[in-house]
Amino acid sequence: DVVLTQSPLSLPVTLGQPASISCRSSQSLVDNDGNTYLNWFQQRPGQSPRRLIYEVSKRDSGVPDRFSGSGSGTDFTLKISRVEAEDVGVYFCMQGIHWPWTFGQGSKVEI
Amino acid sequence: EVQLVESGGDLVQPGGSLILSCAASGFTFSIYWMSWVRRAPGRGLEWVAITSQDESEKHYVDSVKGRFIISRDNAKSSLYLQMNTLRAEDTAVYYCVKAGGIGSVDYWGHGTLVTVSS
Repeated sequence: DVVLTQSPLSLPVTLGQPASISCRSSQSLVDNDGNTYLNWFQQRPGQSPRRLIYEVSKRDSGVPDRFSGSGSGTDFTLKISRVEAEDVGVYFCMQGIHWPWTFGQGSKVEI
Repeated sequence: EVQLVESGGDLVQPGGSLILSCAASGFTFSIYWMSWVRRAPGRGLEWVAITSQDESEKHYVDSVKGRFIISRDNAKSSLYLQMNTLRAEDTAVYYCVKAGGIGSVDYWGHGTLVTVSS
């Protein structure tokens, strides 16, 4: 199975400051169609996961533009340009190209 | 508004069976792939099973092959997971998840807890 390794697993942040989470894959996530199926999710305390980013860098509707995704091949990054209080939670990456689809361990963002 | 509401989680003995259900609303259920994903206590998320719109294609994680069956009723906008020969390691919160484009999912239910213990 494809292993997604996130770092850091715990990320203390300061309001208004940037934050960054890395997700590294054990295999390339580029499909035969040329697209890369790497997603990012946010799970706030007591809530279901919410998708933020799909296909590496495409932001979902309603997701603030302070969230951005980047990367290629096996190395990916989720960035928050200026952390707000509502961003507290666990962030995890997910690959949707090799079955079984797999998830990163999750990175806990706390103020 | 998309809603996915799971039910059926319970305490069951090892070797027992259970059926999970997911009631979907707020979207055209019949045109989306659907999945079950679980999170065991203290562990990460694990994909359990996925089904195509017409059930012609199904995939399972190796650890549940031959024991779990994913199915759906498009007329009722419902997804199911038949779980047989349950083991302690199947203890987890099970989430119903909607496909969101190729290689992705976009909406998750709140989950239902399955506990396998004697």
